[in-house]
Amino acid sequence: DTAVSQTPKYLVTQMGNDKSIKCEQNLGHDTMYWYKQDSKKFLKIMFSYNNKELIINETVPNRFSPKSPDKAHLNLHINSLELGDSAVYFCASSQRSKTDTQYFGPGTRLTVL
Amino acid sequence: TQLLEQSPQFLSIQEGENLTVYCNSSSVFSSLQWYRQEPGEGPVLLVTVVTGGEVKKLKRLTFQFGDARKDSSLHITAAQPGDTGLYLCADLNFGNEKLTFGTGTRLTIIP
Repeated sequence: DTAVSQTPKYLVTQMGNDKSIKCEQNLGHDTMYWYKQDSKKFLKIMFSYNNKELIINETVPNRFSPKSPDKAHLNLHINSLELGDSAVYFCASSQRSKTDTQYFGPGTRLTVL
Repeated sequence: TQLLEQSPQFLSIQEGENLTVYCNSSSVFSSLQWYRQEPGEGPVLLVTVVTGGEVKKLKRLTFQFGDARKDSSLHITAAQPGDTGLYLCADLNFGNEKLTFGTGTRLTIIP
């Protein structure tokens, strides 16, 4: 069974479109994260949710909106896509205060044309 | 803002050789983690170190944390093609569990 899964794996879209990336974890964790990895492989935190509550909100444009319908899911919606949004987006999860380990999904490669 | 610089940025060596990569922080680490990321996959945690001067071993990998808790090294003995990947150091803030990643070292082991 996949611990942290993301859909889709690849996403190619035009500038100005709105798109969503979905993430699900079956580890029973209470905290989930979104990271962005740019073309130079630099990985940076965007958001984290603990029990559906927003904990970390880095300086990310308002066009990015995370939504956590329940503890096992954290989706990322992006409005008005721009060329600079092209990157690989990773979801991760952990059990807060119990372990130092974050488990990452396989990533979603977003290409904005 | 904490900056984590890793060196070298790229490293390509022959199978069987030894290598060391480095991670330097602009401020003291809360706790230091090393990850390996293979192409098309997410990072996987290798080790967490907390105490200055701490040394941890994971098979052929040796992780060392500087006494001042601002730098770290990862040494691989007798490198194998399976060691190929992107090695990332990171600072984990236990308070909000925020991970701040380094710039990464892309390692290629040539068979």
